[in-house]
Order: sequence, then structure tokens, then C-alpha cells
Amino acid sequence: QKEVEQNSGPLSVPEGAIASLNCTYSDRGSQSFFWYRQYSGKSPELIMSIYSNGDKEDGRFTAQLNKASQYVSLLIRDSQPSDSATYLCAVMEYGNKLVFGAGTILRVKS
Amino acid sequence: EAQVTQNPRYLITVTGKKLTVTCSQNMNHEYMSWYRQDPGLGLRQIYYSMNVEVTDKGDVPEGYKVSRKEKRNFPLILESPSPNQTSLYFCASSREWKVTEAFFGQGTRLTVV
Repeated sequence: QKEVEQNSGPLSVPEGAIASLNCTYSDRGSQSFFWYRQYSGKSPELIMSIYSNGDKEDGRFTAQLNKASQYVSLLIRDSQPSDSATYLCAVMEYGNKLVFGAGTILRVKS
Repeated sequence: EAQVTQNPRYLITVTGKKLTVTCSQNMNHEYMSWYRQDPGLGLRQIYYSMNVEVTDKGDVPEGYKVSRKEKRNFPLILESPSPNQTSLYFCASSREWKVTEAFFGQGTRLTVV
């Protein structure tokens, strides 16, 4: 069973700080990686996608991918209380299966 | 408005009574999929479809059926629901199989008693 692992948290950061969310995956053949945000009782929404090694920045969000270490991370700069949510890491495995981690709960305290 | 619509949003049913959860998207997306979300387990893919008449199993297909007769619709069928299928279900669609951006429906909370 291929797996995507995340620390369940909660991760608590003060407002304005950098939140760092991590994810590891087991399928070395994976090519596409995604971060979703899910507010309580709501559906997931895609916030970042990354396909190649290195960093990808979009506003306050930076996704980092290291395929050799099978590691994906999401940095949120200048964290806001509105960023408080569950963050889901997802990996597209060979064979078109999108596998999600269980999610990390982020709490940003004002 | 671009959206994925699921119905019903909430459903309580009894063991063994067949039910269908509908999913419809208005974005002409090729790729559609169903997930269930359980505490501590995250989202698990049940079935996916890469286009009309093309469906395949995800990680937890047992007890579920799907069909894709039209591009916009992808219903999830539980022929004989059991209590272990109590869960939160999401339908999602993407423009193509290489998921670039996935749109999720609002979710269906199913309780089987």
C-alpha cells in the first residue's frame, strides 16, 4: 500500500510567523504533488501544485519538492488566523491514483 | 459559475437499502473521481473516471459502483450499504487526467444504520 504521511498536528504558530508543513510519500514513481486546504466542514481546495524538484512560490505560499528524499513541504509566510485549517498533501501515483495524507491541522493564533 | 454539485448533502439510510449519490460538473472536465473521508484516514479514492465510459478502481472500491454515461455526471451507487460505509463523501473533477486543478463538490455526509 503506497502511503502519504503527514504529522496530524495541531501545528500552532503565532500570527505573522512562518508555518511549515511537511509530507513524505512512498511511491518513487510519483510525478505530481499537491497541497489542499480544508476548512472544517468544507470541501478541499487546491492551493499549490508542484511537479519538479525545487521551490515554487505563489503569494505567501511556497511548495518545496525533493524527489530523492521523497519529501514535499508547504511554507506559509506571514500566517494569518484565516489560514487556520487542515492542510492535505496529495500525491499522484503512477496509474492516475491521487493519494492523500491524513492532513495537518494548522492553528494560527492572533 | 463553475462548480461540482453533489446531492444529497446529508443522508441517513438503513443497511441494505440501495442508494445513489449524484455528482454533476459544468466545466466539461474529463476526469472525475469519488473519495471518502474518515477521521484519521484522510481522503481515500473510491473510483475515478478518465472520460465517458472509462472508469477504474481507486483504493477502496469494495461495496461501491459508478458509471460515466455522460461527461458531466458521475453517480456513486451503494447497492447494499453497510454501517462501515458511514462517511463523508466528495466528488471531484479535473480538466484532464493529469490533475492540474481539482474542483471538489460540497460533500455528502452518509450515515448507514
